[in-house]
Amino acid sequence: DAKTTQPNSMESNEEEPVHLPCNHSTISGTDYIHWYRQLPSQGPEYVIHGLTSNVNNRMASLAIAEDRKSSTLILHRATLRDAAVYYCILDASSNTGKLIFGQGTTLQVKP
Amino acid sequence: GAGVSQTPSNKVTEKGKYVELRCDPISGHTALYWYRQSLGQGPEFLIYFQGTGAADDSGLPNDRFFAVRPEGSVSTLKIQRTERGDSAVYLCASSPQGLYGGITDTQYFGPGTRLTVL
Repeated sequence: DAKTTQPNSMESNEEEPVHLPCNHSTISGTDYIHWYRQLPSQGPEYVIHGLTSNVNNRMASLAIAEDRKSSTLILHRATLRDAAVYYCILDASSNTGKLIFGQGTTLQVKP
Repeated sequence: GAGVSQTPSNKVTEKGKYVELRCDPISGHTALYWYRQSLGQGPEFLIYFQGTGAADDSGLPNDRFFAVRPEGSVSTLKIQRTERGDSAVYLCASSPQGLYGGITDTQYFGPGTRLTVL
């Protein structure tokens, strides 16, 4: 399975944008990029996913590099409720549907 | 609507005992997943059901772990002869189809069952 690399932790100030990076240099041409996050004491929740083009939804934006070897999850205005562990996951086309989680990035948001 | 629910929320047992963990998926979701999360780690895949059948059980660590989904809805994860190393949060997730158009469908997770083996 292709792997992802994320920083262990990041800090942000409330109401400022946050850019969470993910490296996936061994990504295949048909692998989707998924982001999930896990708030304290809860199960993970879906954030966003994409293949090649940048994606936007009500929660976040996903910027995908032209060579697809990296991507960035963008929270436009961080709130205290965004403090969580953020997981970048590659979805191989040969996948049976399971998610392979790494260590993720722990985001701290300061008031 | 109701999300994924898991019972019990906490389970404390003694080494060597048998435990059952229950998952109620979102109504109508055909795919159901079990994951295990140790402290400080990301969730680790255990097993995936499509309907009543196990489509992928490659994550089950050994034959002490078994899961069923007899009617294609509720699932039970069963652990025999529990060991201290089995202590973790066991997460269940469901999704509408599992795979949709060649990509993994969005998975909806429950709050987990925290298992402690003394």
